[in-house]
Amino acid sequence: AQSVTQLDSQVPVFEEAPVELRCNYSSSVSVYLFWYVQYPNQGLQLLLKYLSGSTLVKGINGFEAEFNKSQTSFHLRKPSVHISDTAEYFCAVSVSFGNEKLTFGTGTRLTIIP
Amino acid sequence: DAGVTQSPTHLIKTRGQHVTLRCSPISGHKSVSWYQQVLGQGPQFIFQYYEKEERGRGNFPDRFSARQFPNYSSELNVNALLLGDSALYLCASSLDWGRTEAFFGQGTRLTVV
Repeated sequence: AQSVTQLDSQVPVFEEAPVELRCNYSSSVSVYLFWYVQYPNQGLQLLLKYLSGSTLVKGINGFEAEFNKSQTSFHLRKPSVHISDTAEYFCAVSVSFGNEKLTFGTGTRLTIIP
Repeated sequence: DAGVTQSPTHLIKTRGQHVTLRCSPISGHKSVSWYQQVLGQGPQFIFQYYEKEERGRGNFPDRFSARQFPNYSSELNVNALLLGDSALYLCASSLDWGRTEAFFGQGTRLTVV
C-alpha cells in the first residue's frame, strides 16, 4: 500500500516571501503525484501533477513541484506568495493511472502574513 | 459549464439513521469517485464508478454503498450512521478511465448527532 506524509501541518509565511511545502511518499511501485488546494468551504482544485517525463512540474497560480525519486519526495514551491494563497494544500499519490484511488496526505495549512 | 454538483450542501442526521448523498458529474464525464474528509484530515477514498460499474473500493464498512446511474450521476448511501461518520463527503468526476484530471465538487457536510 502507498502512503503520503506531509510533515508540516501549518506553515506561516510573510507576503511576497518564498514557500516550500514538503511531501514524502511511500510506495513499492511507480507512482503518479498530485498537489491539490482547498480554499475554505470549497472542494479540491488540482494545482499540478506528475505523471512522467520532466521531474520539474509547473502548475497554476505560479506553483511548481519537483519529483525526486531517490528521496521519494514531491515538494511544492512558490517564489513569492500572496494573501490569496492562504488555503489548505494536499499532496496525493496514485499507483494506477492518473486519478483513480488517490491517497492523500493530512494537509498543510498555508497562512500568509501581510 | 457547470462543475461537479453535490446535494445537499449540509445536513444533520441522528445516529442510526440512513443518508443518501448525490453527485452530478461534469457533463460528458463518465467516472465518479467518492471521498470522505474528516475534520483535520486528508480525503479518504471510498468508491470509484466508471460506466456504471464499481471499479474501486476503499477500506470502509459495508454500511457504505454507492451506485452510478445511466446519466452518470451517482449516489452514496450510508446506513446505521455513527458519530464518526461526521465528515465532508467529496465527489470527483473525470472524463474517462485513466490519466485524466479529477474535478472535485464542493462537498456535502454531514453531521451526525
